[in-house]
Amino acid sequence: NAGVTQTPKFQVLKTGQSMTLQCAQDMNHNSMYWYRQDPGMGLRLIYYSASEGTTDKGEVPNGYNVSRLNKREFSLRLESAAPSQTSVYFCASRRLGGPSGANVLTFGAGSRLTVL
Amino acid sequence: AQSVTQLGSHVSVSEGALVLLRCNYSSSVPPYLFWYVQYPNQGLQLLLKYTSAATLVKGINGFEAEFKKSETSFHLTKPSAHMSDAAEYFCAVSDEAGGGADGLTFGKGTHLIIQP
Repeated sequence: NAGVTQTPKFQVLKTGQSMTLQCAQDMNHNSMYWYRQDPGMGLRLIYYSASEGTTDKGEVPNGYNVSRLNKREFSLRLESAAPSQTSVYFCASRRLGGPSGANVLTFGAGSRLTVL
Repeated sequence: AQSVTQLGSHVSVSEGALVLLRCNYSSSVPPYLFWYVQYPNQGLQLLLKYTSAATLVKGINGFEAEFKKSETSFHLTKPSAHMSDAAEYFCAVSDEAGGGADGLTFGKGTHLIIQP
């Protein structure tokens, strides 16, 4: 089925370890996004990529890096994980064109990360 | 800058009763407005969106929302709640300017509880 695929679904890390969350979409969307979801905080944008080859910081980028590997793939890396990064991470993508604000975000199923 | 306020982090209704989830937005330009639903352990799915075509927007699963510019509101309603409606609901806003490449701004979410 077409959509956004995230891996892994679950991960437990120790403080200071590194890991990469992978995201791929097969809808030929231009823009891709990483959000984190925390109880009572809603979804907050970490980084986004408006198009292949570009990335920009969102609301909460500290402690994260991203790579837009190609049009399909957008990865999120934690270089030195901290307990404050315990969260559920969502990747999303969106086609841009026309009144792009109206283009709908399509979300992956999420990656639940626990940092001990 | 745009923002979204969802009134009530938890809303409880009886099965068969009216569902009303409140959302107020702040945007310096005409907004695009969205409601997303998140079922337990899943990603977000689009319920409906407002893109200036009509102020009353119908979505999936019997939900609808009305855009009221004078009140800067976009409340979500459903005439008769079902047990399957129990989920987290997010209101989100995007503006027209800048191509919308920086994604959506989400509210903190409202957890809808359906009492049998």
